Amino acid sequence: GIQVEQSPPDLILQEGANSTLRCNFSDSVNNLQWFHQNPWGQLINLFYIPSGTKQNGRLSATTVATERYSLLYISSSQTTDSGVYFCAVENSGYALNFGKGTSLLVTP
Amino acid sequence: DGGITQSPKYLFRKEGQNVTLSCEQNLNHDAMYWYRQDPGQGLRLIYYSQIVNDFQKGDIAEGYSVSREKKESFPLTVTSAQKNPTAFYLCASGRQVNQPQHFGDGTRLSIL
Repeated sequence: GIQVEQSPPDLILQEGANSTLRCNFSDSVNNLQWFHQNPWGQLINLFYIPSGTKQNGRLSATTVATERYSLLYISSSQTTDSGVYFCAVENSGYALNFGKGTSLLVTP
Repeated sequence: DGGITQSPKYLFRKEGQNVTLSCEQNLNHDAMYWYRQDPGQGLRLIYYSQIVNDFQKGDIAEGYSVSREKKESFPLTVTSAQKNPTAFYLCASGRQVNQPQHFGDGTRLSIL
């Protein structure tokens, strides 16, 4: 099946800093989503982005499908951004394949 | 409010016991999914259903069973055959396969 690799695995930022999270995948995709899992385990949809660029407030994402990667940008980070960020892709016609996530801690 | 409701939030299982996790959605989505998450890991697919009365095994279906008698409901049974059931279970739904998936808040299952 399709392989999904996320980097970095862990990230510590001071409040106000910017960061870029990367997702590499091994095959063409029909669906790519970025999620934020908060400390209570809730998985929040951030972006549905199989290609192109989207922005939502301090977050933006870019997927370059031809080069098989996606980037998630977090600007002016806040402590509430802490948690685990997952990239998930689908190319088989049934369900998402998840990466192992990037664990982000934003300190005051 | 539209959304996905999972219950209970916490569940404890005794040895040799079957337990059933509930997942209900009012988003009118055709596709529903069950994933398992172990500590420090991503999610892995247990079962999925694209339409009522039809479901397919995912990557780790052994020891689990599902039913899809109604569009809104996709319950997951963790059977006694699942030897390592302690995990966080997440249910999701989507309009169709390869459309965005939306997740419930999860059920944490532990062994007594």
